[in-house]
Amino acid sequence: GAGVSQSPSNKVTEKGKDVELRCDPISGHTALYWYRQSLGQGLEFLIYFQGNSAPDKSGLPSDRFSAERTGGSVSTLTIQRTQQEDSAVYLCASTTRTGGRGYTFGSGTRLTVV
Amino acid sequence: GDSVTQMEGPVTLSEEAFLTINCTYTATGYPSLFWYVQYPGEGLQLLLKATKADDKGSNKGFEATYRKETTSFHLEKGSVQVSDSAVYFCALSVEGAQKLVFGQGTRLTINP
Repeated sequence: GAGVSQSPSNKVTEKGKDVELRCDPISGHTALYWYRQSLGQGLEFLIYFQGNSAPDKSGLPSDRFSAERTGGSVSTLTIQRTQQEDSAVYLCASTTRTGGRGYTFGSGTRLTVV
Repeated sequence: GDSVTQMEGPVTLSEEAFLTINCTYTATGYPSLFWYVQYPGEGLQLLLKATKADDKGSNKGFEATYRKETTSFHLEKGSVQVSDSAVYFCALSVEGAQKLVFGQGTRLTINP
């Protein structure tokens, strides 16, 4: 596609429910990243996929968070048993290489846990 | 580890004022440096970048020079406009590393 597409754009969920956030990267981009942007704070790295390599999960805040990338393209970020502190904007980015060329970000999914 | 430190905001200026947003970094390797901008209600957009020392990135009247000796990448614009109001993020990526490391962001408001 022309850009990085994320869905849904907004999600309101009840505390304790599971949610899935989707990211469709730019066609041909081998690297895909998930970041979290909490209100008034910077961007927090969550997870990184590069081709068929094992993902870098070092930024996931707890075992309630997981992500997968099927067929080297679409990625899904899953948050189980959501908590209010999970409320944030979840951003996805993709790039053709690691570093040096910049990353293309999606518009994000705003998650609100009530 | 790799890190980016940005000038704390918020920053409020009048239209046509000179803008500087400071950014310094710490990196284990030889980083590429970026400025991203997030306009109200929108996603992050790459504003400019520099990949080696003394390179100057520029776009939309904004400039930043990669200064290896001072480990800095300050963002400047000679005459800001109301439409420049946004949050600005400085970031780095080390060759072979696997993620962008962002500063905390600086909210800029330009008053007419």
